Amino acid sequence: EVVMTQSPATLSVSPGERATLSCRASQSVSSGLAWYQQKPGQAPRLLIYGASTRATGVPARFSGSGSGTEFTLTISSLQFEDFAVYHCQQYNDWPMYTFGQGTKLEIK
Amino acid sequence: QVQLVQSGAEVKKPGASVKVSCKASGYTFTTYAMYWVRQAPGQGLEWMGWISVSTGQIKYPQKFQGRVTISRDTSASTAYMELSSLRSEDTAVYYCVRSRGYGEYWGQGTLVTVSS
Repeated sequence: EVVMTQSPATLSVSPGERATLSCRASQSVSSGLAWYQQKPGQAPRLLIYGASTRATGVPARFSGSGSGTEFTLTISSLQFEDFAVYHCQQYNDWPMYTFGQGTKLEIK
Repeated sequence: QVQLVQSGAEVKKPGASVKVSCKASGYTFTTYAMYWVRQAPGQGLEWMGWISVSTGQIKYPQKFQGRVTISRDTSASTAYMELSSLRSEDTAVYYCVRSRGYGEYWGQGTLVTVSS
């Protein structure tokens, strides 16, 4: 099983600033990496797939990068609606898809 | 539009079983695989198993082998997840997910509470 590790567990950033979230895989997952945003009481929402492709309707301030074992989600200028929990998921190891433990992005 | 509508919240006693349904609409049900994910209170997402809707092939992670059963009824465009021998640690929100590897569409979630 591929273990996904996200860091940090909690990130405090001010609105308008940049946020950088990390996700590491225990073995290479190539570009089979997705990012999700989750707000309280809601299901996760797909943001990024293929490590760097934005899902339909996702604002351009969200960008993903990386391949292999190291991945990054960057939010270029934080809006109030961006404060949420972010999850990464690998889907390269078919079909044993695994998630990271999540990063909570909070207002500083 | 694509929708995955799950059954309602459940309260179960330890040792019991629960079966959650997920009705799909807005697309051809057999075109995409499905998987199930759960989220305990305040915790991350945990992958529980996958089903090829077209062939019925199923995969479970080791952790849930023998305790979870995923199935589908193609005539009803519905997928199911049954979890047996429930314990308090199974208290969580359970989600069905339409799979392209990544989860493009998610159900609204079903809260299962295990309490004596």
